[in-house]
Amino acid sequence: SQQGEEDPQALSIQEGENATMNCSYKTSINNLQWYRQNSGRGLVHLILIRSNEREKHSGRLRVTLDTSKKSSSLLITASRAADTASYFCALSGAGSYQLTFGKGTKLSVIP
Amino acid sequence: DGGITQSPKYLFRKEGQNVTLSCEQNLNHDAMYWYRQDPGQGLRLIYYSQIVNDFQKGDIAEGYSVSREKKESFPLTVTSAQKNPTAFYLCASSPQLTGNNQPQHFGDGTRLSIL
Repeated sequence: SQQGEEDPQALSIQEGENATMNCSYKTSINNLQWYRQNSGRGLVHLILIRSNEREKHSGRLRVTLDTSKKSSSLLITASRAADTASYFCALSGAGSYQLTFGKGTKLSVIP
Repeated sequence: DGGITQSPKYLFRKEGQNVTLSCEQNLNHDAMYWYRQDPGQGLRLIYYSQIVNDFQKGDIAEGYSVSREKKESFPLTVTSAQKNPTAFYLCASSPQLTGNNQPQHFGDGTRLSIL
């Protein structure tokens, strides 16, 4: 099963700034999902984007998907200290029942 | 409120000992999953189950065993055959298997360490 690769591995920004993190992959997908993990906690689902979709929004979150480039991005606008967490992309491969996770981007939002 | 409960939060294993991690969900989900997370790493799938009395191996099943006797429960046993069990273990569930465009809901994990 393939794994997504997040970039950057770590990101530090000031409160109020926007944060962008990217996920690249190599083979066909059924859907791509983004999750957040606070330190020592479980993962929380943020957004699911299907392979035939190009963009989705949820509050301050915007996810794009470019299947021709095999990449996705997660944008968090007007970041807050509470957004400090690790963010993972997870891939559901075409024809697969598994969800494979990348190593994540660690976001630090400085008050 | 519906959710997934994992227990215990912290667990210590002695050499040669089997330990069992509990996972209970009240979301009425059919599919359940066990993942292992090592520091600075993504999640790796250990086992998954799409229905009661059925489960499948994931990418790193060696040294682990599971059962699915009830829809709500999916316990994971870390056996003595797992030589490097120290990790953070996460249980998840979804209405159906993820291939059907289903997000997964996670518990808060169990941290397992070797004594």
